[in-house]
Amino acid sequence: DTEVTQTPKHLVMGMTNKKSLKCEQHMGHRAMYWYKQKAKKPPELMFVYSYEKLSINESVPSRFSPECPNSSLLNLHLHALQPEDSALYLCASSQGGTPSPNYGYTFGSGTRLTVV
Amino acid sequence: EDKVVQSPLSLVVHEGDTVTLNCSYEVTNFRSLLWYKQEKKAPTFLFMLTSSGIEKKSGRLSSILDKKELFSILNITATQTGDSAVYLCAALNFGNEKLTFGTGTRLTIIP
Repeated sequence: DTEVTQTPKHLVMGMTNKKSLKCEQHMGHRAMYWYKQKAKKPPELMFVYSYEKLSINESVPSRFSPECPNSSLLNLHLHALQPEDSALYLCASSQGGTPSPNYGYTFGSGTRLTVV
Repeated sequence: EDKVVQSPLSLVVHEGDTVTLNCSYEVTNFRSLLWYKQEKKAPTFLFMLTSSGIEKKSGRLSSILDKKELFSILNITATQTGDSAVYLCAALNFGNEKLTFGTGTRLTIIP
């Protein structure tokens, strides 16, 4: 299995809702990442988990709450989001902290989030 | 602040043409430069360059890194309509696994 699987593919939520995004990989990668990508912009790093511990939080608002229950699974819990949080949320993984020179970081297909 | 700049922002060429995409970077503790192709959703890995002057090739695509001048280029020869995509370059730091992306080059291949 050489994929990063993200669910759901699309999500529409109200500003008072609580929802979660899920990311799963079975490649034995020990580092997992959340990126946010607005339309026609590059991905921006949000969080890095290394060996199931949060190692980087890029000053992300607390309405986004990451969780890494085990080495294969990464969640992003969403609460009280704003319309400007609407974006494509990408998950990625890599072997340890350094990506493989032959595979780099492996990205999932993303969750397209719309906040209404 | 780390910065990655790509040029051109967009490019329209005819099928069969050769294109060169540019990426310059100013990054603290630079480790490697990565190239990705993004068509609809997931960026797809193309190359990771760590050493200066060593060309990496994959089919019609090739890339090289110049660590003295802080830039990289991605070449695509004999372009096909399937090459139409946004091409992203990203710089990786030593130690903190942070990937800083450029704004991307939107490449359109006309049949």
